[in-house]
Amino acid sequence: GEDVEQSLFLSVREGDSSVINCTYTDSSSTYLYWYKQEPGAGLQLLTYIFSNMDMKQDQRLTVLLNKKDKHLSLRIADTQTGDSAIYFCTWGGGNKLTFGTGTQLKVEL
Amino acid sequence: SAVISQKPSRDICQRGTSLTIQCQVDSQVTMMFWYRQQPGQSLTLIATANQGSEATYESGFVIDKFPISRPNLTFSTLTVSNMSPEDSSIYLCSVEDLDGYTFGSGTRLTVV
Repeated sequence: GEDVEQSLFLSVREGDSSVINCTYTDSSSTYLYWYKQEPGAGLQLLTYIFSNMDMKQDQRLTVLLNKKDKHLSLRIADTQTGDSAIYFCTWGGGNKLTFGTGTQLKVEL
Repeated sequence: SAVISQKPSRDICQRGTSLTIQCQVDSQVTMMFWYRQQPGQSLTLIATANQGSEATYESGFVIDKFPISRPNLTFSTLTVSNMSPEDSSIYLCSVEDLDGYTFGSGTRLTVV
């Protein structure tokens, strides 16, 4: 079955870059998404990448996709305290989203 | 992207009772999705709701426990029936739009 793994925690200093990694097992997805969930809030779509792309950059966010290794990463440049949240790697296939386990990012001053 | 209004935002319920969660979308959508997020966990798809037909449930979820209505293309409800403390979770609805999948703000349910 589908499986999406992420590291549970990441702690960075304000101003540094954050890299959140994700590995998945199912290669039939069309899109891979990154969602952000702040405490007590719903899910916010940050960015997505088509499965036929290797990289996508969107302001402070860079998504890298290695299809051979089934590895997806999200890099946040100049991380701010407002970036503290849980980040979910998510893949979409067949009108269904499969969510990763989530990575809690903590940004320290 | 679509705007979803989900309510209630939170509730505390007695075991054995039922709670109905509503989601209203500002545009017509073919499918609406209902997810559960148990404490400290990721999101799990409960079911997909299509207008005019019965919802499609994922493995481990049944209609008797989570009945769903989809009376039109902008509205859906999820009922959590005969609740137990194990049903304490955040429940979220979602729709697919041009920007990907948009989620409601969630319903935080506590069963006591």
